Amino acid sequence: AQSVTQLGSHVSVSEGALVLLRCNYSSSVPPYLFWYVQYPNQGLQLLLKYTTGATLVKGINGFEAEFKKSETSFHLTKPSAHMSDAAEYFCAVSPFGGGTASKLTFGTGTRLQVTL
Amino acid sequence: GAVVSQHPSWVICKSGTSVKIECRSLDFQATTMFWYRQFPKQSLMLMATSNEGSKATYEQGVEKDKFLINHASLTLSTLTVTSAHPEDSSFYICSASSPSSYNEQFFGPGTRLTVL
Repeated sequence: AQSVTQLGSHVSVSEGALVLLRCNYSSSVPPYLFWYVQYPNQGLQLLLKYTTGATLVKGINGFEAEFKKSETSFHLTKPSAHMSDAAEYFCAVSPFGGGTASKLTFGTGTRLQVTL
Repeated sequence: GAVVSQHPSWVICKSGTSVKIECRSLDFQATTMFWYRQFPKQSLMLMATSNEGSKATYEQGVEKDKFLINHASLTLSTLTVTSAHPEDSSFYICSASSPSSYNEQFFGPGTRLTVL
């Protein structure tokens, strides 16, 4: 069984400030972890993913996330927020080695607001 | 690469009619496709998993006779909402995966269904 908890349904930061979106997961097997971004009335775009190997993962648009097994966390960060980063962000987990394609379990999402 | 399209992007229909939504993988062969439903300001809920040439596997609580899924080819899956009612109004998103994508799902842009 898997679950994802995203702390904070809304996060507001100033342009240029650090972005930190929190994600904790629960999984009975080693996980694959993902962060997706969704703009209004659009589908999901993959920001980054952790499968195996290096625990610090760099993604698109300057985002990165670190897999911390001991804390069961996969927080998303960006050093300097831009207005275009305003969107909904979803953390998701799927089981490691689940075959051809495995189910994704999504968190409830965090809406990022960027202010001037 | 890995582009997934959905058609239509939005549809309005009368209560009691059926609506078909198409999901296409444009540049890869998708052995597995997933259908999600997203209510306003909520997360994605998996409705069903569809493997090419096989019957779809529905999540608990999803009516298979109401949400008909067909995955007849490696590039096309369809979701038909039968006898639609206002409570079926939602944002429907599909995703596609292939053996080479290592559990990564590629998402379509979504279809907004409004049932009057």
